[in-house]
Amino acid sequence: DVKVTQSSRYLVKRTGEKVFLECVQDMDHENMFWYRQDPGLGLRLIYFSYDVKMKEKGDIPEGYSVSREKKERFSLILESASTNQTSMYLCASSPRDRPEKLFFGSGTQLSVL
Amino acid sequence: QKEVEQNSGPLSVPEGAIASLNCTYSDRGSQSFFWYRQYSGKSPELIMSIYSNGDKEDGRFTAQLNKASQYVSLLIRDSQPSDSATYLCAVKDRTNAGKSTFGDGTTLTVKP
Repeated sequence: DVKVTQSSRYLVKRTGEKVFLECVQDMDHENMFWYRQDPGLGLRLIYFSYDVKMKEKGDIPEGYSVSREKKERFSLILESASTNQTSMYLCASSPRDRPEKLFFGSGTQLSVL
Repeated sequence: QKEVEQNSGPLSVPEGAIASLNCTYSDRGSQSFFWYRQYSGKSPELIMSIYSNGDKEDGRFTAQLNKASQYVSLLIRDSQPSDSATYLCAVKDRTNAGKSTFGDGTTLTVKP
């Protein structure tokens, strides 16, 4: 059974903390994505990667960075968490030959207090 | 103007009825269009994709695409309570990396 695993389902952090969200996929997919989902704003793309060590900015990259040192792992980093980064974060992956076919993880609900 | 817009919900239909979900997009050069279903508290799941004008049917689901009008729709026939979910329209951009832009979603409730 194909899987995208996000390390935490719920996370509570303080303003100013450095936060790491981890995502691992076992499908040997080339493409990986980080989205955030907010009520009324839908799914918005933060960053994506189409290969190891490659990264591309999405629509809302400000305040975030990413790391992809291994094909199966894509990390989202909040350098200094702020309250407006409270959100549901969704990781997804897709294969090179069907890049549009996104497989999502179960999400991390991050609260920044 | 948003890149991908969906008709505002929520949408409520009785069991057995046809549910119609609509989506418009702004990039005339877009080639690939998708519908994702998201149950409450769960992550999105791809249910339909469509690439050329016309209809594409998969069981009770039909996706319709009209590129001239920049319009995509999803019809659910014989709606069931288990179809109650938020439906997200997504449009893939023209690069090969698979970046997709999502609409805000339409929440559908099917009443028994």
